[in-house]
Amino acid sequence: QKEVEQDPGPLSVPEGAIVSLNCTYSNSAFQYFMWYRQYSRKGPELLMYTYSSGNKEDGRFTAQVDKSSKYISLFIRDSQPSDSATYLCAMIGGNDMRFGAGTRLTVKP
Amino acid sequence: KAGVTQTPRYLIKTRGQQVTLSCSPISGHRSVSWYQQTPGQGLQFLFEYFSETQRNKGNFPGRFSGRQFSNSRSEMNVSTLELGDSALYLCASSRRVATDTQYFGPGTRLTVL
Repeated sequence: QKEVEQDPGPLSVPEGAIVSLNCTYSNSAFQYFMWYRQYSRKGPELLMYTYSSGNKEDGRFTAQVDKSSKYISLFIRDSQPSDSATYLCAMIGGNDMRFGAGTRLTVKP
Repeated sequence: KAGVTQTPRYLIKTRGQQVTLSCSPISGHRSVSWYQQTPGQGLQFLFEYFSETQRNKGNFPGRFSGRQFSNSRSEMNVSTLELGDSALYLCASSRRVATDTQYFGPGTRLTVL
């Protein structure tokens, strides 16, 4: 079993839809959680960074962490075609950092 | 503040050759990490450098090596290239340790023919 599991998709939604992206993890030492967005032929770009369990909101993006279930989510409201990208979760615990495989999202106009 | 820069952006090599990739971190960042990204394997950690010393290493063969200079710039070298080395090589910088928030460069797309 991988330490971080992320559904690779692909996920295709119509413009304006609410998108839910998820990762599960097995290492309870992970304390910091991040979401990166990666456009085609570009490097990953940090989108959200959270520490504690609960929600963190930034514009149309909400990151949610449930440490008891070892489950993190990224919600995108009112999705736009410009949100079409691969989204990677990442987590840090102690001296260890792990990435999910990435979920490819397409938002259709 | 300028972001992480990587050169070259694209590279085509043949099997058996060697290649050197370069990364300039964000000003003030002292940790540089290298990753290999492929469609099948995702993002895989190669190694991390801090203050010119390799601090962590992933599970890659010895053909993959790197170094860091006193100005925190880093280079990655792959010798005796294989077809399977075709990938996007990403460099990420962070302030002190790889487990600080990492900021990625645009990557170098290496194609091995």
